[in-house]
Amino acid sequence: QKEVEQNSGPLSVPEGAIASLNCTYSDRGSQSFFWYRQYSGKSPELIMFIYSNGDKEDGRFTAQLNKASQYVSLLIRDSQPSDSATYLCAAKLVRGADGLTFGKGTHLIIQP
Amino acid sequence: GAVVSQHPSWVICKSGTSVKIECRSLDFQATTMFWYRQFPKQSLMLMATSNEGSKATYEQGVEKDKFLINHASLTLSTLTVTSAHPEDSSFYICSARVQDISYEQYFGPGTRLTVT
Repeated sequence: QKEVEQNSGPLSVPEGAIASLNCTYSDRGSQSFFWYRQYSGKSPELIMFIYSNGDKEDGRFTAQLNKASQYVSLLIRDSQPSDSATYLCAAKLVRGADGLTFGKGTHLIIQP
Repeated sequence: GAVVSQHPSWVICKSGTSVKIECRSLDFQATTMFWYRQFPKQSLMLMATSNEGSKATYEQGVEKDKFLINHASLTLSTLTVTSAHPEDSSFYICSARVQDISYEQYFGPGTRLTVT
């Protein structure tokens, strides 16, 4: 089982709808979770981080964490074509590297 | 805040030569920096963790004698790809941790290396 798993997509969502991106992780003791956005040919950009169970909202973005289910999600409301990118889920695992462990990313396409 | 720069943004070199990539934290001090490599349409792969004033920690399968990392100050880490080969062609990205009590990492813009 991979340590951080994401569906690679592509996930296609009509403009204005809610895009829902999901991520699971294997290390039950993990405490810190991050969502990054990466445009093609560019480096990742931090969108949100979440440490506590529940929801965390920032503008059009909402991160959700369920530690019991080892599940993290990112919701993007009122999706725009500019939101089309690859979204990387990352976790600070208890075991393993000092840095973050990344999933392979979900490719999101917002259809105008 | 939390801006990380990399230089150069792209480089082409001949096989067998060495290339140095610089990573700088511009508005904060970073005791820990990370080096990643990303091949086309693949995920980020952590190569090594760079700690200021100490030796880097390399991930399994990454040759420390080929990828030399130096973190001589709190704002600068360098990655030198020695005796580069075409298979080393990739997108190299550094990131820096803002403070040691937080795991937030901010990425540099990346360096695209092409070895001919």
